[in-house]
Amino acid sequence: TQLLEQSPQFLSIQEGENLTVYCNSSSVFSSLQWYRQEPGEGPVLLVTVVTGGEVKKLKRLTFQFGDARKDSSLHITAAQTGDTGLYLCAGADNAGNMLTFGGGTRLMVKP
Amino acid sequence: NAGVTQTPKFQVLKTGQSMTLQCAQDMNHNSMYWYRQDPGMGLRLIYYSASEGTTDKGEVPNGYNVSRLNKREFSLRLESAAPSQTSVYFCASNSAQGRPDTQYFGPGTRLTVL
Repeated sequence: TQLLEQSPQFLSIQEGENLTVYCNSSSVFSSLQWYRQEPGEGPVLLVTVVTGGEVKKLKRLTFQFGDARKDSSLHITAAQTGDTGLYLCAGADNAGNMLTFGGGTRLMVKP
Repeated sequence: NAGVTQTPKFQVLKTGQSMTLQCAQDMNHNSMYWYRQDPGMGLRLIYYSASEGTTDKGEVPNGYNVSRLNKREFSLRLESAAPSQTSVYFCASNSAQGRPDTQYFGPGTRLTVL
């Protein structure tokens, strides 16, 4: 079983601050995805990174896939209250059949 | 276009009771998945169906059975519910046969087993 560890588990910051969430594993993944989940809803895909070293930007969110494809980070610039939610990373195995999810980072952005 | 729908939204069972969670997608996707989500543990895969007519075990299949009824529908059955199965259950689908990228999730079923 491939494991993905996310850190921190909880993060509470003020609006306007920057933050980084990490997703680490000892296993190599063929791709890695980041999802955001709001209370009472299912996760929604934010981005998929495929190539080692890849960096993708989505407005104020920057996603990076590690060179060895074992880890990833999500950086949010100037956080807003609307960024509040549970952020989940998920890695696809080499066979491409299953996603392994991390435990999630629960982010609260206070006004 | 409703995406992925799940029924029921909430359910309370007594230990030993059985029930079936329903899932349907209208995106003509090949692959469908069932996950459970417990606090602090992200989502864990119970079963998946890479294409119509096939099903495979995921990480935590014990105590569950599934049926891929047709391309649209994928149901999850608890034959004899246990308190350890109290969780939020999510169904998901994606378009690429056998590949998990870009999964679309339903709104979840919140199950409590007393």
